[in-house]
Amino acid sequence: SAVISQKPSRDICQRGTSLTIQCQVDSQVTMMFWYRQQPGQSLTLIATANQGSEATYESGFVIDKFPISRPNLTFSTLTVSNMSPEDSSIYLCSVGTDEAFFGQGTRLTVV
Amino acid sequence: DAKTTQPPSMDCAEGRAANLPCNHSTISGNEYVYWYRQIHSQGPQYIIHGLKNNETNEMASLIITEDRKSSTLILPHATLRDTAVYYCIVRGYFYGGSQGNLIFGKGTKLSVKP
Repeated sequence: SAVISQKPSRDICQRGTSLTIQCQVDSQVTMMFWYRQQPGQSLTLIATANQGSEATYESGFVIDKFPISRPNLTFSTLTVSNMSPEDSSIYLCSVGTDEAFFGQGTRLTVV
Repeated sequence: DAKTTQPPSMDCAEGRAANLPCNHSTISGNEYVYWYRQIHSQGPQYIIHGLKNNETNEMASLIITEDRKSSTLILPHATLRDTAVYYCIVRGYFYGGSQGNLIFGKGTKLSVKP
């Protein structure tokens, strides 16, 4: 198993600003994954972050909007840039491939 | 799009077995059936997965039909803490370690009532 810590757990941000979400894992992992869960919806994969290489983004998500860093095998950040109210969601990081483990999520509200 | 179909909601009495169905008629031979649940305001939690044989662990049992087109997750003695959204997911095994096809559908909202 893996223990995943996300910061912040929640935030309220002004439109046009950016927020960086941190994800810390208690063990070294090759791949980390970022998901978005819009209000009342299911989870959608944003991107896969592999240490030492550029993140791979899913259709509908771009690096300029959601830049990701992966400086080492236990840490990653996701930035939500130039936010609008439509970005209000829960953002979750995840590790593991066979059995995926998820953080508690960051609840973002953009006003 | 998700490759599974689940009822949007179900109720279950506390202490009774909760049987959550899932249809996956287009499943291919190398695809597994995974179950996760998401308790309110928490991240999803892995429950169980299987290929074609029935599986059991400390949380639940997974029954997969012989033709593999449907499955049932069984919580043998549901408690109030089992109230959650349950997701049935079909995915292949990627040796490259990709989680890319972990596609969440809408799931079943299970309400366990006293």
